Amino acid sequence: AQTVTQSQPEMSVQEAETVTLSCTYDTSENNYYLFWYKQPPSRQMILVIRQEAYKQQNATENRFSVNFQKAAKSFSLKISDSQLGDTAMYFCAFMGGNTGKLIFGQGTTLQVKP
Amino acid sequence: DAGVIQSPRHEVTEMGQEVTLRCKPISGHDYLFWYRQTMMRGLELLIYFNNNVPIDDSGMPEDRFSAKMPNASFSTLKIQPSEPRDSAVYFCASSLGPYGDNRVSAGNTIYFGEGSWLTVV
Repeated sequence: AQTVTQSQPEMSVQEAETVTLSCTYDTSENNYYLFWYKQPPSRQMILVIRQEAYKQQNATENRFSVNFQKAAKSFSLKISDSQLGDTAMYFCAFMGGNTGKLIFGQGTTLQVKP
Repeated sequence: DAGVIQSPRHEVTEMGQEVTLRCKPISGHDYLFWYRQTMMRGLELLIYFNNNVPIDDSGMPEDRFSAKMPNASFSTLKIQPSEPRDSAVYFCASSLGPYGDNRVSAGNTIYFGEGSWLTVV
């Protein structure tokens, strides 16, 4: 069975600085997808970024980028130029190639300080 | 698109009462998911449907929980009888499925509703 592990329950960063959130996963599949979702205090689940396992190039969305290390089964999220609005819980999630369902990590609470 | 629509947004009910949560997926999405979020267990998948048929209900906690999808635009999650430990945020989500739409780069992305906050007292 696939598992997703986020080892950092809480993190904080100063506004305008860069922070990296860690995620590791376990799977025997070769074709899969990885996601980062953001959950602000409103509890809305917002897609931040996604990565296809067959792509070697790391995904980037504006200030958000990932470091995808397939052999190490690692998928970290880097937030550059942190903003107060980035304060939220961040979930790493795995989707197997054939199932279509997401398996979530435990989440990391990020606090951006002014 | 209106996104995934859930109702009610908030519900407070007494132990033993029946609770029905409702969901309208994004039009055209073949997959519908029900997730539950609690402090203790995080985000857990309860059940998901493909073309209105339940595919995997192994996450449904017990017989008190049931889910239906009578048509492509509507699903319900019912708890009967409710218990205080059922208090959680329940999310409905939908997608085009694992293979998505090849015309869209993010075709298999799962989109979430705003959640239904359930409190059982």
